[in-house]
Amino acid sequence: EVRLVESGGDLVQPGGSLRLSCAASGFTFSSYSMNWVRQAPGKGLEWIAYIGSGPTYYAGSVEGRFTISRDNGKSELYLHMSSLRADDTAVYYCAREGLGSYSEYWGQGILVTVSS
Amino acid sequence: DIVMTQSPDSLAVSLGERATISCKSSQSVLFSNNKNYLAWYQQKPGQAPKLLIYWASTRESGVPDRFSGSGSGTDFTLTISSLQAEDVAVYYCQQYYSTHYSFGQGTKLEIK
Repeated sequence: EVRLVESGGDLVQPGGSLRLSCAASGFTFSSYSMNWVRQAPGKGLEWIAYIGSGPTYYAGSVEGRFTISRDNGKSELYLHMSSLRADDTAVYYCAREGLGSYSEYWGQGILVTVSS
Repeated sequence: DIVMTQSPDSLAVSLGERATISCKSSQSVLFSNNKNYLAWYQQKPGQAPKLLIYWASTRESGVPDRFSGSGSGTDFTLTISSLQAEDVAVYYCQQYYSTHYSFGQGTKLEIK
């Protein structure tokens, strides 16, 4: 069974940093591309970052502030977030791609709150 | 970046009736392999999104056959042929054609 479990969410002050983790199990992690998608309270879904075996890609709203990375040996996905702003407050989901680039499996999400 | 626009923003349909949601992309998501890089997701309150449809019309395993996707190029439709109570949710389309994926704003589906 594919399982994705996010962790690391917290309350952080504006300008601060945070690292989210996504522990993957039930599949060969290194063989799949992964994404981070977020959802601000009461809002829609926003794709923010992609990582495969080559280049990484970011949404303009997080480019230069967020870094996606992975540790294939640990089957873990990360999102390093810096210079956090109030509008980064959201539930953050990690998602595994399918044979195409659609997100076939999703974690349960983790809340990040940016507030003073 | 490709902008995805859904209509309507919200929709109320009677049980057993058809529900139709539209999704338009600002540029074609039809690739040279003749596949449309378009997916549909369902999100119920308090839950993570769930993949329903990919390649615009391929149902994910386990998704009831009352859900169907159609369209090509820039215009797509998600149809629920006979609405069930458990279908109350927000539905999102997503393009994965470009390296910067993007979602529609969502359509909230309720029971009339």
